[in-house]
Amino acid sequence: NAGVTQTPKFQVLKTGQSMTLQCAQDMNHNSMYWYRQDPGMGLRLIYYSASEGTTDKGEVPNGYNVSRLNKREFSLRLESAAPSQTSVYFCASSQTGSTDTQYFGPGTRLTVL
Amino acid sequence: AQSVTQLDSHVSVSEGTPVLLRCNYSSSYSPSLFWYVQHPNKGLQLLLKYTSAATLVKGINGFEAEFKKSETSFHLTKPSAHMSDAAEYFCVVSDPARTGTASKLTFGTGTRLQVTL
Repeated sequence: NAGVTQTPKFQVLKTGQSMTLQCAQDMNHNSMYWYRQDPGMGLRLIYYSASEGTTDKGEVPNGYNVSRLNKREFSLRLESAAPSQTSVYFCASSQTGSTDTQYFGPGTRLTVL
Repeated sequence: AQSVTQLDSHVSVSEGTPVLLRCNYSSSYSPSLFWYVQHPNKGLQLLLKYTSAATLVKGINGFEAEFKKSETSFHLTKPSAHMSDAAEYFCVVSDPARTGTASKLTFGTGTRLQVTL
């Protein structure tokens, strides 16, 4: 039982390049989330998927797209990376409802030059 | 709208002394509240959560937090700090999502706990 896994762990991009961050969970959770973590700002929600087949914008969605591929997988795509997207990205999953715990992956550290 | 304020960005304690990490929240609804811990270069781990049951919540590793509605606070405490407690701690509030929808968390900016010998 791996929980939430993310690939890659580290990535360096040049401005304008694209990439996809992958996330998978094996807990049969309905909801999945993408966050970014910047120094002094806590975690901010980029996009989330309440259930398979649905996605919604979070607090900071600009410059990102997501795909809920199936119940297990939720990917985050940067179409044209910018230095402002240098951050640590976390994927999380939960059942449904506000009382349910979100379980986090180990993170992807992305640097955009 | 909901928000979370962690009152200290950095707390330093000696090993064996009590820990207090302060958190105030704002929510239009009856919130769910969480404390998460992040060790260096790791993901986030749930310490404890409050979901409108008992106001004193016990978590892992000897941590506990008390929900005080009148003070809109959810402070995290531990009687005796251990070196392994050194980490970043996040206070988090969740909106009262309808059944069947995802929860949306609002994170505080974090408190870095330093434990010295």
